[in-house]
Amino acid sequence: NAGVTQTPKFQVLKTGQSMTLQCAQDMNHNSMYWYRQDPGMGLRLIYYSASEGTTDKGEVPNGYNVSRLNKREFSLRLESAAPSQTSVYFCASSASGSNQPQHFGDGTRLSIL
Amino acid sequence: KNQVEQSPQSLIILEGKNCTLQCNYTVSPFSNLRWYKQDTGRGPVSLTIMTFSENTKSNGRYTATLDADTKQSSLHITASQLSDSASYICVVSEGGSYIPTFGRGTSLIVHP
Repeated sequence: NAGVTQTPKFQVLKTGQSMTLQCAQDMNHNSMYWYRQDPGMGLRLIYYSASEGTTDKGEVPNGYNVSRLNKREFSLRLESAAPSQTSVYFCASSASGSNQPQHFGDGTRLSIL
Repeated sequence: KNQVEQSPQSLIILEGKNCTLQCNYTVSPFSNLRWYKQDTGRGPVSLTIMTFSENTKSNGRYTATLDADTKQSSLHITASQLSDSASYICVVSEGGSYIPTFGRGTSLIVHP
């Protein structure tokens, strides 16, 4: 009964380092999402994937890349981390259709020094 | 720019009491409105989803209402429990867009 699994749960990077945040879902959902959550702000969409092989930019895509490896997995990559990317990152998935609930993972807490 | 405003920012109530959280939005055209519960250190969990034609939806002790004319929604929590302590987030989606607009959330603390 895993739902959406994110790894790692915590990470500290130095400015300029790169890393990939992993996300996997076991609910056979077509749609997957990456969000960031910053103090005092609502969640903001970074990238969206409607199905395997497709990705679209969200509200704040700069500095990030994504890969929809297969139906289960959707990864987020920071090529050259910056302190402004310190945040909590959430992955979510949903069935197709605009009125489907999104199921969220428990987040990756990323600090960039 | 689409906006979702939630009030109050924080709320403290005693266990067993009822409370109502508010959400006002400017998103147009409207597609749907969702309420999520987010426990500290966890991801959000969906409580309700309402479309334009729905003006109330319940999930156990949680009841959401929607007035699409005034662009307002409320989440009513009945007979609060300690486990209701969390942040409650209102999210509004625009028709034709996959980018939702999230409110900043209302932080609810339930004291015994």
